[in-house]
Amino acid sequence: GIQVEQSPPDLILQEGANSTLRCNFSDSVNNLQWFHQNPWGQLINLFYIPSGTKQNGRLSATTVATERYSLLYISSSQTTDSGVYFCAVDLTSYGKLTFGQGTILTVHP
Amino acid sequence: EADIYQTPRYLVIGTGKKITLECSQTMGHDKMYWYQQDPGMELHLIHYSYGVNSTEKGDLSSESTVSRIRTEHFPLTLESARPSHTSQYLCASRAGGGNIQYFGAGTRLSVL
Repeated sequence: GIQVEQSPPDLILQEGANSTLRCNFSDSVNNLQWFHQNPWGQLINLFYIPSGTKQNGRLSATTVATERYSLLYISSSQTTDSGVYFCAVDLTSYGKLTFGQGTILTVHP
Repeated sequence: EADIYQTPRYLVIGTGKKITLECSQTMGHDKMYWYQQDPGMELHLIHYSYGVNSTEKGDLSSESTVSRIRTEHFPLTLESARPSHTSQYLCASRAGGGNIQYFGAGTRLSVL
């Protein structure tokens, strides 16, 4: 099956710092989503981005499908950004997502 | 975000009990999914459904079963819970022609 690798596994920041999270995948994909899992376990959809670039406030994402990677940028980080960030991909168009191992982000005040 | 609800949020039960985890969505989405997540780990797909009376097993083998009698409802059942079933179970849904998958808040199951 498809392999999804995220880096770094852990990231510790001071409030106000910027960060870049990376997701590498081993095959062509139809769907790529970035999620934020908060401390209560809720998974929040951040971006649907199988290719191209999108921005939403302090967050932006870029996927280079031909090179099989995606980047999530967080600018001016806040303590509420803490949690686990997951990249998930789907080879088909049926929504059977394969998740990466996640990046644990901790933002200190 | 979408309206997808899971109950209970937390469940602690003894070995051998039968349990049903509920998942409902109010958006009329055709596709629904169950994922399992062990603490500190990634999510794995265990069941999915493309519509009423359609259910399939996911990539991760699971002893649970599911049913899809109504579009909005996708319950997961464990006939005889064991400590190895201790995990978080997350339900998700997606519109038939859509691409974004929306998740419920999850059920944290602990089997003693």
